[in-house]
Amino acid sequence: NAGVMQNPRHLVRRRGQEARLRCSPMKGHSHVYWYRQLPEEGLKFMVYLQKENIIDESGMPKERFSAEFPKEGPSILRIQQVVRGDSAAYFCASSAMDEKLFFGSGTQLSVL
Amino acid sequence: SQQGEEDPQALSIQEGENATMNCSYKTSINNLQWYRQNSGRGLVHLILIRSNEREKHSGRLRVTLDTSKKSSSLLITASRAADTASYFCATDARDDKIIFGKGTRLHILP
Repeated sequence: NAGVMQNPRHLVRRRGQEARLRCSPMKGHSHVYWYRQLPEEGLKFMVYLQKENIIDESGMPKERFSAEFPKEGPSILRIQQVVRGDSAAYFCASSAMDEKLFFGSGTQLSVL
Repeated sequence: SQQGEEDPQALSIQEGENATMNCSYKTSINNLQWYRQNSGRGLVHLILIRSNEREKHSGRLRVTLDTSKKSSSLLITASRAADTASYFCATDARDDKIIFGKGTRLHILP
């Protein structure tokens, strides 16, 4: 029973490129959360999705960032035209019914 | 905006002692959860307490919830070196999204 799978584990991009972060939730989970974490800080909420729906994207910058959770396939967090300030760890979590979250190992994004 | 705030930000104790961390939050909640994070890893769920519960136990963990004060505490008894980690509270506000605090960094000294 695989847990939440995130890939890639590490992603290096140059300024202006696009970053695509993938998250496969646990089997049977229909809720996905994305969080961003800077070193020595807490997790900052970005977006909450259910299958084919964005429930709450209040934590996500309105420009350059987008997220989706299609009917088939993983959830994708997409960052266009990355800047150095986007460098962070991005964590995905899934849940069955909005309660206990299961986290992936995160994607460490480094923007050169 | 940050919903939960843990206190203290950092805590160092001797192995075998008890560790207490506190969490305060701002709005009404459905439940409150505590998570643990080892350096560079994803968070691991420890315990969930619902708004109509006052205390919950799981092994060496004891969680209390005071909804009148909008606060919770996590007690780890008989601490071990392996308990060294960051601990976060997370609240499920009535708008469904789950918000985390900034965490308490716990260091257990040998």
